Amino acid sequence: IQLTQSPSSLSASVGDRVTITCRASQGINNYLAWYQQKPGKAPKLLIFAASTLQSGVPSRFSGSGSGTDFTLTISSLQPEDFATYFCQQLNSYPRLTFGGGTKVEIK
Amino acid sequence: QVQLVQSGAEVTKPGASVTVSCKASGFSFSNYGVTWVRQAPGQGPEWMGGISSYKDTTTYAQRFQGRVSLTKDTSSNTAYMELRGLRPDDTAVYYCARDGRMGVMVTANDYWGQGTLVTVSS
Repeated sequence: IQLTQSPSSLSASVGDRVTITCRASQGINNYLAWYQQKPGKAPKLLIFAASTLQSGVPSRFSGSGSGTDFTLTISSLQPEDFATYFCQQLNSYPRLTFGGGTKVEIK
Repeated sequence: QVQLVQSGAEVTKPGASVTVSCKASGFSFSNYGVTWVRQAPGQGPEWMGGISSYKDTTTYAQRFQGRVSLTKDTSSNTAYMELRGLRPDDTAVYYCARDGRMGVMVTANDYWGQGTLVTVSS
């Protein structure tokens, strides 16, 4: 199963609403997770099961979608949100796939 | 609290083998699977394989088949990843991650080790 993320990068300002999409090559039900990664750090889980917020993650992050099309939204971008974001499918667990990533940069 | 602590950085030569360890604490290690992921410089994460909580069943990515072995030692709460026949393009950060569950379904890698840099160079 291939995952295609878009855009591959974006520039945004603090306070902006940011949307990242992830499209699967075949239906994956809602077995999709989103991660945030900062340079030199391990990925951090933000959302699992397409729309469930991981404990401790700010509510400005949200996820939606099912089947093949998924979205990660940051409602009001904060300085600490500048990072790279990856989607991951677990429908074919234990065989997992990651998207190519979206780098969110400061405008 | 849940923690996964990996072994330190390695510098190895082409053709050699490397073993990375991942020591777990703060949860019942035998009840969770472990996924291994690597990330080459400037690239996204790449799934290498996993070892499940069910009879320690292993699954490997096709591109690593025959070169990688995953094991778990529940007596020491430690998972291991051995990669053989190293090449310069195996230079990457290697991560272990816990397979988080909702009920019986694995829904995400909810906790990650800090990563181990493996450098392959002659």
